[in-house]
Amino acid sequence: SQQGEEDPQALSIQEGENATMNCSYKTSINNLQWYRQNSGRGLVHLILIRSNEREKHSGRLRVTLDTSKKSSSLLITASRAADTASYFCATGPTSGNTPLVFGKGTRLSVIA
Amino acid sequence: DAGVIQSPRHEVTEMGQEVTLRCKPISGHNSLFWYRQTMMRGLELLIYFNNNVPIDDSGMPEDRFSAKMPNASFSTLKIQPSEPRDSAVYFCASSFRGGAEAFFGQGTRLTVV
Repeated sequence: SQQGEEDPQALSIQEGENATMNCSYKTSINNLQWYRQNSGRGLVHLILIRSNEREKHSGRLRVTLDTSKKSSSLLITASRAADTASYFCATGPTSGNTPLVFGKGTRLSVIA
Repeated sequence: DAGVIQSPRHEVTEMGQEVTLRCKPISGHNSLFWYRQTMMRGLELLIYFNNNVPIDDSGMPEDRFSAKMPNASFSTLKIQPSEPRDSAVYFCASSFRGGAEAFFGQGTRLTVV
């Protein structure tokens, strides 16, 4: 069963604008991760935020986590055409050595 | 390390044929996962292994699907017999442990005609 639900399903913005994608989940987590998938390729890990963290930065990426609302957001600042891809959130369960559960993703299109 | 390696990249087969997908995980990773991705259902976990042992195969859609991991550096996903509804992209991923950062292969695009 899918844990994370990304919102929106699709997003189209102009180059230079910021892109915000949201993820909601249902159960307690150990961590939450964001992945990127270019068309026809495998998923690539972007950033991991632990359940005791509220915000994390990596380059033009900013991730927030609100465990009370069971939600996370991924912000990409100053977007580029090369950021066009699908973005997935994945939750790392609290229960031992169990796999990530992925959402259905947000399709981001950055128009030059 | 070259990352997770999957083969073949593309597979076109006729309905009823046996299909075998292969995966070489990253050396040192203890967990291996097989996922299937379609437009309709998104990314579905089929089965995962910890230390070469299958832990949960509840995501395997039918008995036509089977997976093995004979050693730490090789896994196969077999579909026998294949059906058109099996057409999808199949990903293998590995990680140090479940719930940690996962590294994905490039996927195998399977088309069953």
